[in-house]
Amino acid sequence: DVKVTQSSRYLVKRTGEKVFLECVQDMDHENMFWYRQDPGLGLRLIYFSYDVKMKEKGDIPEGYSVSREKKERFSLILESASTNQTSMYLCASSPPLDRGRGNTIYFGEGSWLTVV
Amino acid sequence: AQSVTQLGSHVSVSEGALVLLRCNYSSSVPPYLFWYVQYPNQGLQLLLKYTTGATLVKGINGFEAEFKKSETSFHLTKPSAHMSDAAEYFCAVSEIQGAQKLVFGQGTRLTINP
Repeated sequence: DVKVTQSSRYLVKRTGEKVFLECVQDMDHENMFWYRQDPGLGLRLIYFSYDVKMKEKGDIPEGYSVSREKKERFSLILESASTNQTSMYLCASSPPLDRGRGNTIYFGEGSWLTVV
Repeated sequence: AQSVTQLGSHVSVSEGALVLLRCNYSSSVPPYLFWYVQYPNQGLQLLLKYTTGATLVKGINGFEAEFKKSETSFHLTKPSAHMSDAAEYFCAVSEIQGAQKLVFGQGTRLTINP
C-alpha cells in the first residue's frame, strides 16, 4: 500500500511563528502536492513539486513556501504564521502521468493547524 | 482553466435509498475526473476515476459515476445507501498532462438517516 505520512496531525502555533509541515511518501513518486482544506471551499492547491528541488506555485501560494531536498520528502513552510492560515493541510503524491489511465493521487491523513 | 461545481453542500438520504451526488465541471480540454471520499479526521480516499473509454465507471463500496460530456457532468450514485457511507465527498478534475494537479469542488457532506 502507498503510504503518505504527515508527521504532525494537530499543531497549535502562535501568530508570527515559523511553521514546518512535513510529508513523506514511500512509493518513490515523482509528484508531490500540498493542499489546504477549508469548509465550503474544498481543497485548494498551495504548491506542488514534480522532481527533487523543483517546485511550482499552485492557486494559493501566498504566505507559504516549500522545500523538496529528497524525493520522498516535501515540506510546507509558513514563514510567519497568521490566523487566516488556520486550516487542515493535506499532502499528496502521485507517480508520473500514465496517459489514458490517469493517475491515482494518494493523500496523507492531514495536519490540523491552529494559529492563535 | 478548470473548475468543478458540486450541487448541494449537504445531502441527506435514508438508509437503503438511492444516493445521488452531483458534479459539473468546466475544462477546455478532455479531463480526467475523480471522486474522493473523506471520513471524519482522515485524508482522502479515491472512490473512482474516469480517464478514457467506458463512460460508466464503477468504484469501491458500490459507487459508480457516469461521464456525460454533453452535460459536462460526472454525478456519483449508489443504489442503496448504508450508514457507513456517511462522509464528505469531493469531485475533482485534472489536466491530462504534466503533474496532473487536481482541482476540487467544494465538497458534499452526505448524511444517512436510519
